Amino acid sequence: DAGVIQSPRHEVTEMGQEVTLRCKPISGHNSLFWYRQTMMRGLELLIYFNNNVPIDDSGMPEDRFSAKMPNASFSTLKIQPSEPRDSAVYFCASSFQRGYNEQFFGPGTRLTVL
Amino acid sequence: AQKVTQAQTEISVVEKEDVTLDCVYETRDTTYYLFWYKQPPSGELVFLIRRNSFDEQNEISGRYSWNFQKSTSSFNFTITASQVVDSAVYFCALSDTTTDSWGKFQFGAGTQVVVTP
Repeated sequence: DAGVIQSPRHEVTEMGQEVTLRCKPISGHNSLFWYRQTMMRGLELLIYFNNNVPIDDSGMPEDRFSAKMPNASFSTLKIQPSEPRDSAVYFCASSFQRGYNEQFFGPGTRLTVL
Repeated sequence: AQKVTQAQTEISVVEKEDVTLDCVYETRDTTYYLFWYKQPPSGELVFLIRRNSFDEQNEISGRYSWNFQKSTSSFNFTITASQVVDSAVYFCALSDTTTDSWGKFQFGAGTQVVVTP
């Protein structure tokens, strides 16, 4: 079975540009999570969806960040406009029955904003 | 609020030594779930184990073993006869049923394990 798929794996952009990160969860999983990992702040939950509905976006740093899940097999995390402090590794994870079960993580997208 | 503490920032061992990673958690709930993840230098997060609060049996999987003690709110992880491939950051995580945090994992800060030949 395919795991969580993320694209792109690496993204280098300039400050002020729009960045879109993509995620395909594991088939059959109904919860999807977006995390950000930096050396300074560790692993932070940005937002999570259950059955395609955003449940908690309290971790989204500011209005420049937005996330959507138009269907059960696709989600996007958008940053507009991007800033150098957004540089991080962004992980997408999915699980079946949030909370009870383990989350499976994608390989991550390493974002560098110059 | 839930909280996970991994007090050890980094542990260095020589190959074949055993290494134990500590994880202490806080929760008000009686029903909760604990997890361990491994993050090797390549960067991906790999699920290792899940344990629910009603199952205090220790678990062994190959060279890995886990000791869950509710009395001390700890869920420690031991690697026996460590190998260079065990070099990674290991994260402990908690999920409880508190309404405001249900579905979220609280991750510890992670413990870097360095195994030298």
